[in-house]
Amino acid sequence: SQTIHQWPATLVQPVGSPLSLECTVEGTSNPNLYWYRQAAGRGLQLLFYSVGIGQISSEVPQNLSASRPQDWQFILSSKKLLLSDSGFYLCAYVTLGLAHPGELFFGEGSRLTVL
Amino acid sequence: LAKTTQPISMDSYEGQEVNITCSHNNIATNDYITWYQQFPSQGPRFIIQGYKTKVTNEVASLFIPADRKSSTLSLPRVSLSDTAVYYCLVGLSNDYKLSFGAGTTVTVRA
Repeated sequence: SQTIHQWPATLVQPVGSPLSLECTVEGTSNPNLYWYRQAAGRGLQLLFYSVGIGQISSEVPQNLSASRPQDWQFILSSKKLLLSDSGFYLCAYVTLGLAHPGELFFGEGSRLTVL
Repeated sequence: LAKTTQPISMDSYEGQEVNITCSHNNIATNDYITWYQQFPSQGPRFIIQGYKTKVTNEVASLFIPADRKSSTLSLPRVSLSDTAVYYCLVGLSNDYKLSFGAGTTVTVRA
């Protein structure tokens, strides 16, 4: 069966510190991978998506970056966090060819608080 | 990617039917319409998907008119546990960029 995991689940970081959030997908090959951010009381903002190893599309130019070193691995990073980076970060994947085209499967989320 | 517009919020009472309409005027020929439900501190989860006409599953119905420029999610006989944010998402014909709109906050009261 297909599973998605992301960690850490929660973290509190000072302004200006680095960030690394990791997401892994098991049980499927060649998934499209996505990073979303949800600020408190707001909707889901698409940050990055990837259709293959080393391929990253950025939707929001800011101090965040993403990488996909393996087919099953998606990493969200920052060199220097801002207060506005606080939020709930969600990783998701899509496997093409299933019963519901484009159905997104989400991880458990990572809640980041920048102080 | 087709932009979507939904009402910001809707209130209902237990046992009533809730209908949420999503506008997507520039939907592409091969786009699907997918609805998700999100509870606080969780990722959205799939509710229902359709391409045209009507689709029904065990939790909801999705009505899509012939021009496909809108769609309506129908939740029959809602309960308190249906209080959540509902998102309409249109896409994945030739575009892998899946962006959510603002969503509709549905509050069910006793």
